[in-house]
Amino acid sequence: GAVVSQHPSWVICKSGTSVKIECRSLDFQATTMFWYRQFPKQSLMLMATSNEGSKATYEQGVEKDKFLINHASLTLSTLTVTSAHPEDSSFYICSAPGQLDTEAFFGQGTRLTVV
Amino acid sequence: AQSVTQPDIHITVSEGASLELRCNYSYGATPYLFWYVQSPGQGLQLLLKYFSGDTLVQGIKGFEAEFKRSQSSFNLRKPSVHWSDAAEYFCAVGPRSQGNLIFGKGTKLSVKP
Repeated sequence: GAVVSQHPSWVICKSGTSVKIECRSLDFQATTMFWYRQFPKQSLMLMATSNEGSKATYEQGVEKDKFLINHASLTLSTLTVTSAHPEDSSFYICSAPGQLDTEAFFGQGTRLTVV
Repeated sequence: AQSVTQPDIHITVSEGASLELRCNYSYGATPYLFWYVQSPGQGLQLLLKYFSGDTLVQGIKGFEAEFKRSQSSFNLRKPSVHWSDAAEYFCAVGPRSQGNLIFGKGTKLSVKP
């Protein structure tokens, strides 16, 4: 079946640095990908919709200048957390939609810890 | 407003016992409904989904769920729980099967030996 690969699975970075997270669709093309964030003991919240070849669409309250999304190809979307702060520590997970009447395929997630 | 409610934050059951996890949704259009399972530090695995047709859907690992439109519910069930079922379970709803889902807050399942 369809597979979405997310890398890295975990990362620790210093406050003020930037971190890039990759989301790849391995055996299918994804013109759209979704980025979610999950804080401890909370649900997944949609952050943004990544669109191949165009600007991402951000959910209300998500800073587009802080969470840079690039969807340069049909199989790769990246999320860059710029100038990370401890409050950005979270579990970030991407997904790509399947064909009609199939589910979305999720990456393994990335645990970001900012120290 | 669109939302998913999972009223039980944490449930503990004995191994071999039956399980029911509750999910209620509020949605303006015909919902696509999903149950996902998340093991610690892992991504999401789809257990089952409902789009249309038979309101009782079968999923992987022996799980099933029943869609009740009149109650806006999509409860997950399993007749006999195994220790390996201990995980976090999320109910989700979407406008279509395209991934921009609305998730509930999850129910953590613990299994007693």
